Amino acid sequence: GAGVSQSPSNKVTEKGKDVELRCDPISGHTALYWYRQRLGQGLEFLIYFQGNSAPDKSGLPSDRFSAERTGESVSTLTIQRTQQEDSAVYLCASSLESMNTGELFFGEGSRLTVL
Amino acid sequence: KQEVTQIPAALSVPEGENLVLNCSFTDSAIYNLQWFRQDPGKGLTSLLLIQSSQREQTSGRLNASLDKSSGRSTLYIAASQPGDSATYLCAVRRMDSSYKLIFGSGTRLLVRP
Repeated sequence: GAGVSQSPSNKVTEKGKDVELRCDPISGHTALYWYRQRLGQGLEFLIYFQGNSAPDKSGLPSDRFSAERTGESVSTLTIQRTQQEDSAVYLCASSLESMNTGELFFGEGSRLTVL
Repeated sequence: KQEVTQIPAALSVPEGENLVLNCSFTDSAIYNLQWFRQDPGKGLTSLLLIQSSQREQTSGRLNASLDKSSGRSTLYIAASQPGDSATYLCAVRRMDSSYKLIFGSGTRLLVRP
């Protein structure tokens, strides 16, 4: 596609349920990033993929969070046993280069509300 | 630890004014700096990317400068318009963890008609 695509755009779930968020990066982009943005706050780095591997998972807030990427394209972020503090917008970005100079392009985000 | 600060946190100006948004970072060892805009409820739109070897970048009415040694970047918006109203974020890519962009908390801009 022309840009980074994320789904669902909005998700309301009950506390304790599992959710999956999906990201389709720009075609050919080898690097993929997940960020979280809580209401009124800045962007918090979660995880980075280079191809299908994730060299840095240190940003994942807890072991309830996991992410995978297949075929060097689609990535899914899974949150198990959701808690109210997980409510946020989850943003995905991709970049063409694996090196440090690549420009990041973001999707519209998935807004998660945990009741 | 790299910290990115944006001042002011909020800015309201009348249409037509030229304005400057500021971004400062504590560690000058960066690969690049990127400016984004974010509209309410939306994702981030990339505005300008400045590599560490560059001093400035221009796109239309936007001009971004980078002074790596002093840890500062400015985003200059000429002849502001109501459509420029958004939150503007700067982010730096560190040399020692180059895959991670460190974001400032943003400047909320309101351009009044």
